Amino acid sequence: SQTIHQWPATLVQPVGSPLSLECTVEGTSNPNLYWYRQAAGRGLQLLFYSVGIGQISSEVPQNLSASRPQDRQFILSSKKLLLSDSGFYLCAWNREKGPAFGSGTRLTVV
Amino acid sequence: GENVEQHPSTLSVQEGDSAVIKCTYSDSASNYFPWYKQELGKRPQLIIDIRSNVGEKKDQRIAVTLNKTAKHFSLHITETQPEDSAVYFCAASPGNYNQGGKLIFGQGTELSVKP
Repeated sequence: SQTIHQWPATLVQPVGSPLSLECTVEGTSNPNLYWYRQAAGRGLQLLFYSVGIGQISSEVPQNLSASRPQDRQFILSSKKLLLSDSGFYLCAWNREKGPAFGSGTRLTVV
Repeated sequence: GENVEQHPSTLSVQEGDSAVIKCTYSDSASNYFPWYKQELGKRPQLIIDIRSNVGEKKDQRIAVTLNKTAKHFSLHITETQPEDSAVYFCAASPGNYNQGGKLIFGQGTELSVKP
């Protein structure tokens, strides 16, 4: 079956610390993968998307970066977190029956 | 780029009434329009979608309509129930979604169904 895994579920990090969030997809090959951020429970903002290994498109200038080292793996990173990076981060992929989201990571930068 | 506007931002209805949420989009090339329901603290879940080659789609109490000329689409929920209470998001895919398109989301509508 086709599933998407995202971890960790929650994360509290100090300002200036690094970040690495991972997303993996099972049961499919060459999926399109996306990172979204949701602030204050509303509004899903597209951060990055990838149509293949090593192919990353950035939608908004920011303190974050993304990488796709393997076909079914998508990583969101930061070298130094800012308070404004707090939010609910969601990985998504485009299944045949419609785009689906991972369970999300709630990041709090303190 | 694509811009999606969603209205209203909050909607309160009595149980059994209908609820309508409307979205407009800017990119006339957009061809895929999904709707998501998000319960508190959870991930958005796809509830219905429509492609640009049809004008309406129904799934039990939920329906979506699309007007390509006016570039707007709407979600209709009939016979609302308290469990329909959630935040609903519309989205549009600029360009050809099947060829790797991305989704641009509206700002969400908080629907409250009162018993």
